[in-house]
Amino acid sequence: GAVVSQHPSRVICKSGTSVKIECRSLDFQATTMFWYRQFPKKSLMLMATSNEGSKATYEQGVEKDKFLINHASLTLSTLTVTSAHPEDSSFYICSARGGVSNTGELFFGEGSRLTVL
Amino acid sequence: QKEVEQDPGPLSVPEGAIVSLNCTYSNSAFQYFMWYRQYSRKGPELLMYTYSSGNKEDGRFTAQVDKSSKYISLFIRDSQPSDSATYLCAPLVIRGSTLGRLYFGRGTQLTVWP
Repeated sequence: GAVVSQHPSRVICKSGTSVKIECRSLDFQATTMFWYRQFPKKSLMLMATSNEGSKATYEQGVEKDKFLINHASLTLSTLTVTSAHPEDSSFYICSARGGVSNTGELFFGEGSRLTVL
Repeated sequence: QKEVEQDPGPLSVPEGAIVSLNCTYSNSAFQYFMWYRQYSRKGPELLMYTYSSGNKEDGRFTAQVDKSSKYISLFIRDSQPSDSATYLCAPLVIRGSTLGRLYFGRGTQLTVWP
């Protein structure tokens, strides 16, 4: 089946630094990628939707200047957490959808656990 | 996102039991109804999905949607310890600007003990 790879799987950083998380579709072209955030024992929260070559659409309450999303190619989207703070510590997951399929099937990355000290 | 409600559990059952997992939703625009399974410290994986109302069966798993009552169910027959995971329901909008967007329930944590 289709594979979505996220990197890094774990990252620890100091408060005030920026962290970049990559999401790659390995064997298909992802026209749309979604970024989620998951707090412990909570559901996935959609942060933003990105379409290749255009600006990301952010969900209400998500700071676009803090969570920079770039979808420059059909196989790569990046999420940059700028000036990270301890409250940004979370599990970030991307998903990708290829083509124009209307089944809605998405393929998820394994997630990236961010810890901000 | 409060468009989907799901009892978080935890739910603990013996091996071989029939498990029933449920969600309710409020948005009548949902057309597809997905179920994801998430093992600890892993990303969610698609288990199965249904389109509109009705049942769909896949091995030991049966997904059921009742659009009139906005109720989604997942049944697991002959449950196994390997089924222990968090199960998330996720209705899907397939038209308009929110195409492809999944609205996740909180997930129900299931433990099947031998």
